[in-house]
Amino acid sequence: QQQVKQSPQSLIVQKGGISIINCAYENTAFDYFPWYQQFPGKGPALLIAIRPDVSEKKEGRFTISFNKSAKQFSLHIMDSQPGDSATYFCAASSAGANNLFFGTGTRLTVIP
Amino acid sequence: KAGVTQTPRYLIKTRGQQVTLSCSPISGHRSVSWYQQTPGQGLQFLFEYFSETQRNKGNFPGRFSGRQFSNSRSEMNVSTLELGDSALYLCASSLAGTANTEAFFGQGTRLTVV
Repeated sequence: QQQVKQSPQSLIVQKGGISIINCAYENTAFDYFPWYQQFPGKGPALLIAIRPDVSEKKEGRFTISFNKSAKQFSLHIMDSQPGDSATYFCAASSAGANNLFFGTGTRLTVIP
Repeated sequence: KAGVTQTPRYLIKTRGQQVTLSCSPISGHRSVSWYQQTPGQGLQFLFEYFSETQRNKGNFPGRFSGRQFSNSRSEMNVSTLELGDSALYLCASSLAGTANTEAFFGQGTRLTVV
């Protein structure tokens, strides 16, 4: 059973546009929600993370929106660039545990 | 500061053999977790080690095992390899204690079982 559901599976965005990736979870014990970016042949790289005590976190062009009541969180990439073309994974883990439950990934392609 | 180092980067093994993968965490990080990444199943947690003790385990058969040394380096072993074990095996390190902390991944070991 997939503990974290991610959509869409793939996304094509024009350069300068906004990329939005959504994730949902069921386990209310989750309290840490990171996003990872992975390029082909590389390991996932931590992009940005949020805890449920805030509804939004922004780092540069990347923003996480978090809706605790809906058990949903999303990644927004503003002013998307071709260099952002990669696979993005959302993840979640619960307090005191370091095992991450990953979404199935979104392959983002930014067209010049 | 050096990142997470995994060796070897690539491995080709035959069904029935066993394999050992190695992970050196970021200096000062005491938690090491292992993940399997496949196109079909995505990223799945194998186990986590902290201070040489397995602290958490995913839903994988007993053929998958690991250990951690006093310098926090970790090894993962897969015995009696099956074709379905072909995957990218990723190691992640974090400072860890009892609270969630950022996990940093290595580049992985690409295992091909033939």
